[in-house]
Amino acid sequence: QKEVEQDPGPLSVPEGAIVSLNCTYSNSAFQYFMWYRQYSRKGPELLMYTYSSGNKEDGRFTAQVDKSSKYISLFIRDSQPSDSATYLCAMSPFYSSASKIIFGSGTRLSIRP
Amino acid sequence: NAGVMQNPRHLVRRRGQEARLRCSPMKGHSHVYWYRQLPEEGLKFMVYLQKENIIDESGMPKERFSAEFPKEGPSILRIQQVVRGDSAAYFCASSRIDPTEAFFGQGTRLTVV
Repeated sequence: QKEVEQDPGPLSVPEGAIVSLNCTYSNSAFQYFMWYRQYSRKGPELLMYTYSSGNKEDGRFTAQVDKSSKYISLFIRDSQPSDSATYLCAMSPFYSSASKIIFGSGTRLSIRP
Repeated sequence: NAGVMQNPRHLVRRRGQEARLRCSPMKGHSHVYWYRQLPEEGLKFMVYLQKENIIDESGMPKERFSAEFPKEGPSILRIQQVVRGDSAAYFCASSRIDPTEAFFGQGTRLTVV
């Protein structure tokens, strides 16, 4: 079993829809949770970063962490065609420890105009 | 302020040749990280460097792979005697301190033929 599981998709939704992207994990030591967006043939771009449980909102994006269920989510409101990309979740038990950051395999998202 | 610069973007090598991948971090960033991404897989940490020092190489294969970040010039990831299994996208990221807030380059796509 992988430490971090992420549905690869592809996920296709119409423009304007609310998108829900999810990851599950098995390591209860994870404390830091990140979401990255990766356009085709580009490097990942950090979208959201949360510590421990709870919600964090930034514009149209909301990150949610449920440590009791070992489940994290990224919600995108009013989705746009420009949101079409692969979304990677990532998590780490420690601050400032690059080698301990575990990435999900990514979910491909397509927003239909 | 230029982002993380990687070159070349694409590299083709025959089995047994050497591959050299270069990464110039963002201005003001002294921490460099190298990751490998295989198709349909998440990013895998390889090595973390600061100027003239390897801080953590726990993700590097024991043979054929090496990395450096000299006092002057870019960071170099070197793969000797490449094999087909080395074909992947190699990403470099840089940060001031915290790897969870690192910026990624656009990657070098290595193809071994």
